[in-house]
Amino acid sequence: EVQLLESGGGLVQPGGSLRLSCAASGFTFSSYAMSWVRQAPGKGLEWVSVIHVNGGSIYYADSVKGRFTISRDNSKNTLYLQMNSLRAEDTAVYYCAKDPIFLSQLGFDYWGQGTLVTVSS
Amino acid sequence: DIQMTQSPSSLSASVGDRVTITCRASQNIRSYLNWYQQKPGKAPKLLIYAASSLQSGVPSRFSGSGSGTDFTLTISSLQPEDFATYYCQQSYRTPPVTFGGGTKVEIK
Repeated sequence: EVQLLESGGGLVQPGGSLRLSCAASGFTFSSYAMSWVRQAPGKGLEWVSVIHVNGGSIYYADSVKGRFTISRDNSKNTLYLQMNSLRAEDTAVYYCAKDPIFLSQLGFDYWGQGTLVTVSS
Repeated sequence: DIQMTQSPSSLSASVGDRVTITCRASQNIRSYLNWYQQKPGKAPKLLIYAASSLQSGVPSRFSGSGSGTDFTLTISSLQPEDFATYYCQQSYRTPPVTFGGGTKVEIK
């Protein structure tokens, strides 16, 4: 059974940093691209970032470019999102999502349960 | 970036109704369109990929159609467990992946 378990969310002050983790199991993690998608309270879905299987291709939404860094450790079956210079508008539930073929026609076929990041003083 | 516009933003329907949700892309995305269902407090779930392919395990009352700029998600006979918010998503010109604003299906 595919499982994605996010952790690392919490309350952080504006300008602060946080690192999210997504532990994967039930599939060959090293064979799939992975994305982060976020959802502000009461709002829709916003794609944040994607990383290819070996980290060779990485992309970000303009809203987080230069502040967030996606990475992965295939030996630990874990995806990360390092978030720096956090702003109030980054407040959201952050989901990791499995991507069958790098941003392809197949969509995101599995999602984690999400972790809440709140940026507030 | 490609903009995705869903309509309506919300609708009320009864169990057994046929429900149709529309998604329009700001430019031609061929059939690179996916549909997700999200229930309150839960993660999104992939229903339809490539405009009309049913994801494994999804009931056959869900169907998708369209290509180019106009797409439709249809629920042939609404069930109690289908009350949720539905999102379309394009994956043609990426990055970025972009989502529609969502359609909330409520009980009449």
